[in-house]
Amino acid sequence: EAGVAQSPRYKIIEKRQSVAFWCNPISGHATLYWYQQILGQGPKLLIQFQNNGVVDDSQLPKDRFSAERLKGVDSTLKIQPAKLEDSAVYLCASSLGRESETQYFGPGTRLLVL
Amino acid sequence: SQQGEEDPQALSIQEGENATMNCSYKTSINNLQWYRQNSGRGLVHLILIRSNEREKHSGRLRVTLDTSKKSSSLLITASRAADTASYFCATDAWAGANNLFFGTGTRLTVIP
Repeated sequence: EAGVAQSPRYKIIEKRQSVAFWCNPISGHATLYWYQQILGQGPKLLIQFQNNGVVDDSQLPKDRFSAERLKGVDSTLKIQPAKLEDSAVYLCASSLGRESETQYFGPGTRLLVL
Repeated sequence: SQQGEEDPQALSIQEGENATMNCSYKTSINNLQWYRQNSGRGLVHLILIRSNEREKHSGRLRVTLDTSKKSSSLLITASRAADTASYFCATDAWAGANNLFFGTGTRLTVIP
């Protein structure tokens, strides 16, 4: 089965610019997660979707970050405007459902904000 | 703040040796998972141990969990160069939420 797909793989922008990341989860997976992984740290959950509804976005900096999963499949994470501290790898993961503990991760998008 | 903390931060061993990594966490958990991350790649799920389990095996992996000490260990036996990666523990606070809190990771280098 195809894994979680993410694009782009790399992105370099200047501070105050906007950027968007795309994720296509494994087919049939109802739950989708976005994580931020700063260099040298473990991933931190930003937002969790169950189908097209938000389950948890308590750690999402809502003044600049937004995410959507309109049709319950693909998802987009946006940063507007970007700050230097947003430089990180943004990982998307999916699981069959909230009761399914194993999460499957995509390769990530590496963002550098200059 | 992150739930788990791995120890050591970095570990370098010879191929064939065993590697042990430890994870400590702060609050009660539903389960604890270990993930591997190769450089520049996403995370791969290795093994899950539930709060009512004490030990679990999967191939060359052995995981222990001590809920009284809020700690877990991951043992990789007969290490291979391909095991070189970062290893993260992740805790899930309650059933049904599947909100994982990751530790800071252990960087394992296996020297051929």
